[in-house]
Amino acid sequence: QQQVKQSPQSLIVQKGGISIINCAYENTAFDYFPWYQQFPGKGPALLIAIRPDVSEKKEGRFTISFNKSAKQFSLHIMDSQPGDSATYFCAATSGSARQLTFGSGTQLTVLP
Amino acid sequence: KAGVTQTPRYLIKTRGQQVTLSCSPISGHRSVSWYQQTPGQGLQFLFEYFSETQRNKGNFPGRFSGRQFSNSRSEMNVSTLELGDSALYLCASSLALGPNTGELFFGEGSRLTVL
Repeated sequence: QQQVKQSPQSLIVQKGGISIINCAYENTAFDYFPWYQQFPGKGPALLIAIRPDVSEKKEGRFTISFNKSAKQFSLHIMDSQPGDSATYFCAATSGSARQLTFGSGTQLTVLP
Repeated sequence: KAGVTQTPRYLIKTRGQQVTLSCSPISGHRSVSWYQQTPGQGLQFLFEYFSETQRNKGNFPGRFSGRQFSNSRSEMNVSTLELGDSALYLCASSLALGPNTGELFFGEGSRLTVL
């Protein structure tokens, strides 16, 4: 019940295209859903996060869509750039869980 | 403002040895969490320390331990190393206890190879 399932495992997008990464969770107690971006040789860095009281959050080219009834959330990267090429992790947690449960990661490659 | 600093960045050990990894959090951050990252298991939570006390522990054997000092710096120790302990060990700091209270700032990790 603590799992967060992430897909796809890898994604190749042309420059300027839209990248979409999906995650699903089971634990209805989760109340904080961050996305992390990780470049090779670096630690993950917070990209954007959402709480279940809103269905969408946008920050620049990055948007989280959240569907509470379906227990799914997704990351949309608009106008994808080669510099966006990285591994993206969704995660979920709650006050009682006290730890981040990460998805398995999506390796995004944006072709120039 | 300096980020999270982890030392050493790379180390090689042999089976049966022990290892100690160090983490200096961002100044003012009192919570330090540790995560293990491997290709097969992904990112898994090890433990979280706040005000020198372990507040939460993940599903890892007792060979994995940690501590936090009064200046919030933290160390983790792995005893009797096994081949499967080869991983990137990531430290993350935050202002408050619990990851749902705000952003976790990760260090670049300590890459441990066990031969």
